[in-house]
Amino acid sequence: GAGVSQTPSNKVTEKGKYVELRCDPISGHTALYWYRQSLGQGPEFLIYFQGTGAADDSGLPNDRFFAVRPEGSVSTLKIQRTERGDSAVYLCASSPPGGAGELFFGEGSRLTVL
Amino acid sequence: RKEVEQDPGPFNVPEGATVAFNCTYSNSASQSFFWYRQDCRKEPKLLMSVYSSGNEDGRFTAQLNRASQYISLLIRDSKLSDSATYLCVVRIGTGGFKTIFGAGTRLFVKA
Repeated sequence: GAGVSQTPSNKVTEKGKYVELRCDPISGHTALYWYRQSLGQGPEFLIYFQGTGAADDSGLPNDRFFAVRPEGSVSTLKIQRTERGDSAVYLCASSPPGGAGELFFGEGSRLTVL
Repeated sequence: RKEVEQDPGPFNVPEGATVAFNCTYSNSASQSFFWYRQDCRKEPKLLMSVYSSGNEDGRFTAQLNRASQYISLLIRDSKLSDSATYLCVVRIGTGGFKTIFGAGTRLFVKA
């Protein structure tokens, strides 16, 4: 399929470790978003990219979180010194240029920090 | 105050009922509005966009009141398959595309 692909689908790590979550958007989609969703909550905005640049990173909770999109396609969300409170589903979405604003989501990466 | 606020729910309704969800947003620079549906342990998917003139898609009707910064979703003749979480979504600004989700309202439709 040509949908948004996220890897890994599940990640279990220990407190203090470093993790990377990858997102491969739909081909041709210029905007890419990262959200975090905890149980019973809506998706919480983290950051979005237009092309290679982070257009708005106001949702990143602190400096342990960082995201890149070096070639304007695949993006990586990086979390340093993970904490138990980082446990959540991390959702990636992409959106086509000139579209009406619909976001197409991947299935998410479930992160568990022990 | 959260940028997008929704009825907390859950809503428990019988099949065939009409149910309405309400949503308010705080950022006056909000430009585009949507309702998404999220099934349990699945990713959100677009249900419908919301326009100032109101719009309808089968059993679903969405309304927007810009003056009150209020959005609604009406579901008529509820089906068991409508059971899901409904997310109110707002895109902010004209130059950018920051998109904010509400916490969602859970709907249970019972036979």
